[in-house]
Amino acid sequence: DADVTQTPRNRITKTGKRIMLECSQTKGHDRMYWYRQDPGLGLRLIYYSFDVKDINKGEISDGYSVSRQAQAKFSLSLESAIPNQTALYFCATSPPGPGTDTDTQYFGPGTRLTVL
Amino acid sequence: GQNIDQPTEMTATEGAIVQINCTYQTSGFNGLFWYQQHAGEAPTFLSYNVLDGLEEKGRFSSFLSRSKGYSYLLLKELQMKDSASYLCAVRDDGYALNFGKGTSLLVTP
Repeated sequence: DADVTQTPRNRITKTGKRIMLECSQTKGHDRMYWYRQDPGLGLRLIYYSFDVKDINKGEISDGYSVSRQAQAKFSLSLESAIPNQTALYFCATSPPGPGTDTDTQYFGPGTRLTVL
Repeated sequence: GQNIDQPTEMTATEGAIVQINCTYQTSGFNGLFWYQQHAGEAPTFLSYNVLDGLEEKGRFSSFLSRSKGYSYLLLKELQMKDSASYLCAVRDDGYALNFGKGTSLLVTP
């Protein structure tokens, strides 16, 4: 079984709809992250959480919100989806660092979201 | 702000050696990572450097010079399966990773 799972894997929705992307991990890591990836722009950080009570905005948090329901679960919401939020979304986890390898991020398989 | 630069595309021949460069200017530095990403898949960890010098892992090596804000990933004995995007990422003072846009490597027969 995969250590980091994302649901759904693919989603097509319409402008204005509320969408939730879910991430679960069995790695026992405290830190979790949400990124989006667009062609030519690379991976950009949306939000991250270093433990259940800690939520931090990343580079591009506008239009998104998150919820850290438990150590193992971190959800990303689009309150009112718009077409330029069409992208590939990745969740990642890491153990607390710093230190060689201990802060390595492990990525889920991604969710491909299309907003029409 | 964060600025991480790497070439957009590179092509190399099977069996050869290729070097992918990465330069960075970030607010703080707590390590540099290289990830490999095949099309449509998740990035996977390749290497980590926090001190100056070369880290070797089989066919892959990564070099860091903190004073120059420079790293490279060296891939030896290239195989067709090495065709992928290679992502350079710098961990800043806030311990978040800042990714470059990635280098798409094509390995040809």
